[in-house]
Order: sequence, then C-alpha cells, then structure tokens
Amino acid sequence: EDKVVQSPLSLVVHEGDTVTLNCSYEVTNFRSLLWYKQEKKAPTFLFMLTSSGIEKKSGRLSSILDKKELFSILNITATQTGDSAVYLCAVCTNAGKSTFGDGTTLTVKP
Amino acid sequence: SQTIHQWPATLVQPVGSPLSLECTVEGTSNPNLYWYRQAAGRGLQLLFYSIGIGQISSEVPQNLSASRPQDRQFILSSKKLLLSDSGFYLCAWSVGVVQGASPLHFGNGTRLTVT
Repeated sequence: EDKVVQSPLSLVVHEGDTVTLNCSYEVTNFRSLLWYKQEKKAPTFLFMLTSSGIEKKSGRLSSILDKKELFSILNITATQTGDSAVYLCAVCTNAGKSTFGDGTTLTVKP
Repeated sequence: SQTIHQWPATLVQPVGSPLSLECTVEGTSNPNLYWYRQAAGRGLQLLFYSIGIGQISSEVPQNLSASRPQDRQFILSSKKLLLSDSGFYLCAWSVGVVQGASPLHFGNGTRLTVT
C-alpha cells in the first residue's frame, strides 16, 4: 500500500523564523511529488518535483526531492503570518494514482 | 484562464436523503476531473476520477457515485446518505491524459454535514 507521511503534524513559529517541513513516502512506480498549500478551502499548488537534487524555488519557499532516501522537504524562510496554512504533500505514481499525506499545520505568530 | 466552480459551499442533510454536488470547469478542454474527500485534520482521499465523458473510475467502495455528463461537468451523488459521508468534498481538475503528470487545481469545496 502506498504511504505518504508528513512531519511534523503541526508547528508554531514566530514571524521571521525559518521552517522545514518533511514528507517521506513509500510508493510503487514513483512519478512525481507535489506540494500544496491549503489555507481555508481549496489547496493551491506550490511545487512539482520529479528529479532528485534539483531545488525548486518560489520567493521564500523552496523544495527539494531525494529519490534515493524517498523524501522531500519544503523550506520557508523569513516566515510571515500569511504563511499560516496546512501544507500537503502528494505523491503520484506512473499508474496515475495520487496519495496525500495528512498535512502539516503551520501557524506563524506575529 | 481556467476556473473551477463547485457548489454548494455548505450542506446539511439528514441521514437517508439524496446528495448531488456539482463541479464545472471553464477555460480548458478534456480535463481530468477528480472528487476528493478530506476528513478533519487529514489528507485528501481520492473518491473518483474521470479522463473523459462517461468514463469514471472509483478508488474506494462506498455509498457514493460520480457522473460526467459533459466534458467539463462532474457530479457526485448518493441515493441515501450515511452519517459517515460527512466531510469536506473537493473537486479538482488537471490537464493531460496521464494522471500525476500535472498539478491538481481545486475548487473551494463543499462541507457536508449529515445529521
């Protein structure tokens, strides 16, 4: 059975801190790993990773994939209150199946 | 640009009543369409996906069904709701024939409470 495990489940930081969110997986026939941000309703796409060691970056957010160790990290630097959200990791297989982790709830305090 | 509409936003239904949630996508042709359910504090569970009109795949056995009567319309239904059907339902679309090759774009969800 495919598994995606995110850690920590929740995290409270202060504005300006840097955070690292983790996503480990066990799937058959890996195709891609995706990160989403869910604030209240619709998750919004952040990154899609398919190759090991290539960092994807968007502003203060960055992510990298390690296909040998089967994990990915999402980094957020200089956090702001607007970064408060649930961050979801999903892994897709060549068969087209997506498995989501339970998410990390990030709270950024002013 | 592409947009996805999902309604209603919230719904309270008694046990045993029918359900119909609707989702439409604009600005793209032949999208892959998905229904997910999210339990509180949990990730998303895929319920159904569709790669074309009338083509529906079910991921988990359940009390629900899905239909795709038009290219950009996806409907989630139930004949008789159970208490366990309560949850947050999300519709999503992606481009391309192959799933997992492109990101999902989600609607704003429907919070269903079965009483």
